[in-house]
Amino acid sequence: TQLLEQSPQFLSIQEGENLTVYCNSSSVFSSLQWYRQEPGEGPVLLVTVVTGGEVKKLKRLTFQFGDARKDSSLHITAAQPGDTGLYLCAGRAPGNNRLAFGKGNQVVVIP
Amino acid sequence: NAGVTQTPKFQVLKTGQSMTLQCAQDMNHNSMYWYRQDPGMGLRLIYYSASEGTTDKGEVPNGYNVSRLNKREFSLRLESAAPSQTSVYFCAMEREGFDEQFFGPGTRLTVL
Repeated sequence: TQLLEQSPQFLSIQEGENLTVYCNSSSVFSSLQWYRQEPGEGPVLLVTVVTGGEVKKLKRLTFQFGDARKDSSLHITAAQPGDTGLYLCAGRAPGNNRLAFGKGNQVVVIP
Repeated sequence: NAGVTQTPKFQVLKTGQSMTLQCAQDMNHNSMYWYRQDPGMGLRLIYYSASEGTTDKGEVPNGYNVSRLNKREFSLRLESAAPSQTSVYFCAMEREGFDEQFFGPGTRLTVL
């Protein structure tokens, strides 16, 4: 059973469109991280959300942590081809000494 | 990927051969990790090291050994490579207290 479920697994959109991807769990997390991985490279940390209900913005990317700290969403406004990549969420559940990763949301932005 | 280096970047092995994947970090963090990434499987933890001289098994440790001889370096060894170990291997370090990991560029390993 995957601790963190990401949906949709794959999303293809046209440049300029908006998109939202999700990271869900039945467990409570003290924090969640979002990473982006481009082809042939390692994941790169984008943001960490810590407080339930927290919203963080990184240029056209908006990250939200659920009020109950069990889920998170990533919204991209006016997507660009440079946003193409695999978006991974990760978190450490209380009492667990390992970081859990979701399987990722593969986003393709078509020019 | 600043701060974590991995060598080699690509490797092809024959079944039964051995090799060591090298990882080094320059940010003085205690915790280091080895993952493998396969299509549809996500990142799976092989081994991790909470500090110099200590190592622990992760989710998929069979067929691998690790060594953390000093704070900076964490190596992953395949004693007898198998085709099932064809994968992309990532080393990562963790910033203490923040649950944030920083990854190397990966080693793409093919076992024939």
